[in-house]
Amino acid sequence: EVQLVESGGGVIQPGGSLRLSCAASGFSVSSKYMSWVRQAPGKGLQWVSGFYRGGSTYYADSVKGRIIISRDTSRNTLYLQMNSLRAEDTAVYYCTREVDGGPDYWGQGTLVTVSS
Amino acid sequence: DVVMTQSPLSLSVTLGQPASISCRSSQSLVHSDGNIYLNWFQQRPGQSPRRLIYKISNRDSGVPDRFSGSGSGTDFTLNISRVEAEDVGVYYCLQGTHWPKTFGQGTKLEIK
Repeated sequence: EVQLVESGGGVIQPGGSLRLSCAASGFSVSSKYMSWVRQAPGKGLQWVSGFYRGGSTYYADSVKGRIIISRDTSRNTLYLQMNSLRAEDTAVYYCTREVDGGPDYWGQGTLVTVSS
Repeated sequence: DVVMTQSPLSLSVTLGQPASISCRSSQSLVHSDGNIYLNWFQQRPGQSPRRLIYKISNRDSGVPDRFSGSGSGTDFTLNISRVEAEDVGVYYCLQGTHWPKTFGQGTKLEIK
């Protein structure tokens, strides 16, 4: 059974850093495309970053230069390192597995709150 | 970025009646590999999103056949043939062809 379990969210001050983790089971993160999608409170979905063919990584313009996606295949885990956090980064962050151009499995999400 | 525009943004439907949601992209979604990566998702209240449809019209495993997708080029539609109570939630389209991937604003479905 495919499962994605996020962790690492919490309350952080503006300008701070946080690393989110996504432990995958039921498949290998090295064999599938993986991505992070976020949802601000009461708002819609926003694709944030993804790990794709040949290890290529992509980022939304709003987070480019502040966020780094990575993976540890030995731990079967996806990460999202977030730096220089802003109030507008406050959201639930979902880890997803992608197949056929979009997420087919989603985690339960982890809440990041950027506030002083 | 490709802009995905959904309509309507809210929908009130009587149980057993059909529902239709439109999604329009600001540019063609034909990928260099010939596929069109247009997805539809359902997000029930308090839950993570769930994919219903991929590549315009393919249903994901376990998705009821009352859900169907259609379209081409820049215009796409999600149809629900007979709305049930469990269909309440927000529906999103997502284009997976161009970087960055972009979602529509969402359409809130409620029961009348």
